Amino acid sequence: DIQMTQSPSSLSASVGDRVTITCRASQSIGTYLNWYQQKPGKAPNLLIHFASSLQSGIPSRFSGSGSGTDFTVTISSLQPEDFATYYCQQSHSSPYSFGQGTRLDI
Amino acid sequence: QVQLQESGPGLVKPSETLSLTCTVSGDPITTTQSYWSWIRQPPGRPLEWIGSVYFSGTTYYSPSLTGRVSMSVDTSRSQFSLRLSSVTAADMAVYYCARGPSIALYRAWGQGTHVTVSS
Repeated sequence: DIQMTQSPSSLSASVGDRVTITCRASQSIGTYLNWYQQKPGKAPNLLIHFASSLQSGIPSRFSGSGSGTDFTVTISSLQPEDFATYYCQQSHSSPYSFGQGTRLDI
Repeated sequence: QVQLQESGPGLVKPSETLSLTCTVSGDPITTTQSYWSWIRQPPGRPLEWIGSVYFSGTTYYSPSLTGRVSMSVDTSRSQFSLRLSSVTAADMAVYYCARGPSIALYRAWGQGTHVTVSS
């Protein structure tokens, strides 16, 4: 199985900050990497698929990059609604595993 | 816009079978290139893909749950279902149903339903 490891596990930032979250896969997954945002008590919401493709309706301050085993999601200028938990997920091979999450706090 | 809603018992006894249903509205469950998935989130643990089903009935299960899991689709009711047998405390989680263009990508999610395993 492919293990997904995110860093950091938690992060404190301020409105307007630029923030980057990292995800590492235990083996090469090409660009089969997706990012989700989850707010407390809500279901995850797809932000980015195939490493860098922004899902429709997601603000352009979100961007993703990477290939192989190392990936990042960057928020260029944090907005109050961006404080949430972020998960990466590999869609390369079954079972389609998620990272443990990165909690982004004010 | 598609909407998904999970339903089912919130409490299941150990060794019994967990049964959940997801009702789909806003888009036909028979939409081509739409795969219907179950994902769970145990407390303090990562999200876990359980499996997916196509409207034709073709199923795809996580290897770790194969043997205990089954999924089905009822197109007449626009529902798909999950059954997980021989549950233990490790199966306690929030269970989500989701839709995506593949079994590995989830664009729309239900709100989730919490399942407790306890006698």
